[in-house]
Amino acid sequence: DGGITQSPKYLFRKEGQNVTLSCEQNLNHDAMYWYRQDPGQGLRLIYYSQIVNDFQKGDIAEGYSVSREKKESFPLTVTSAQKNPTAFYLCASSFAGDYEQYFGPGTRLTVT
Amino acid sequence: GESVGLHLPTLSVQEGDNSIINCAYSNSASDYFIWYKQESGKGPQFIIDIRSNMDKRQGQRVTVLLNKTVKHLSLQIAATQPGDSAVYFCAEKRDYKLSFGAGTTVTVRA
Repeated sequence: DGGITQSPKYLFRKEGQNVTLSCEQNLNHDAMYWYRQDPGQGLRLIYYSQIVNDFQKGDIAEGYSVSREKKESFPLTVTSAQKNPTAFYLCASSFAGDYEQYFGPGTRLTVT
Repeated sequence: GESVGLHLPTLSVQEGDNSIINCAYSNSASDYFIWYKQESGKGPQFIIDIRSNMDKRQGQRVTVLLNKTVKHLSLQIAATQPGDSAVYFCAEKRDYKLSFGAGTTVTVRA
């Protein structure tokens, strides 16, 4: 079964802790993306990576970090510097030069 | 700021009727647009896309219309079904990335 997976589906953390969200794809896609979604709002781009070992900041990168050591994986770390980390996080992937992005099921992060 | 937006945040439609979801964009240089459907608690799913050299594109029960003169995009769903209840997003290609609007929540009445 080809697809993009995110784990866990729900994540709870205490304020001040870093947390890493997993994103894996077996679609052989070159590019991967992280978005944040808040209630009633659209998707905002956090980071994206077009090739392994390279990534760029999106529109709201502050307080987040990523790595792209493998083509299949693009983990996102929400650091304690992120002021409002509670949100629904979506990972997506696409072929290079293709703008149709395939989305994972999302991780809902709650920080208290 | 955002360059895409939807005219109405919510739309209620009777089952069997046609739905029309609208989206306005501001970047006249945009040449590619996508519509996504997001069901509650899930990731968005691709519905249909259109390039700026086209005015209309049809899929299964869906049609996307592009009016470049007024920078307007619409998604038409024929014979709306309960399974069409979801949030619909338009997205615009901008600087090698996609920029998403806020979404329209479609509720289908039985």
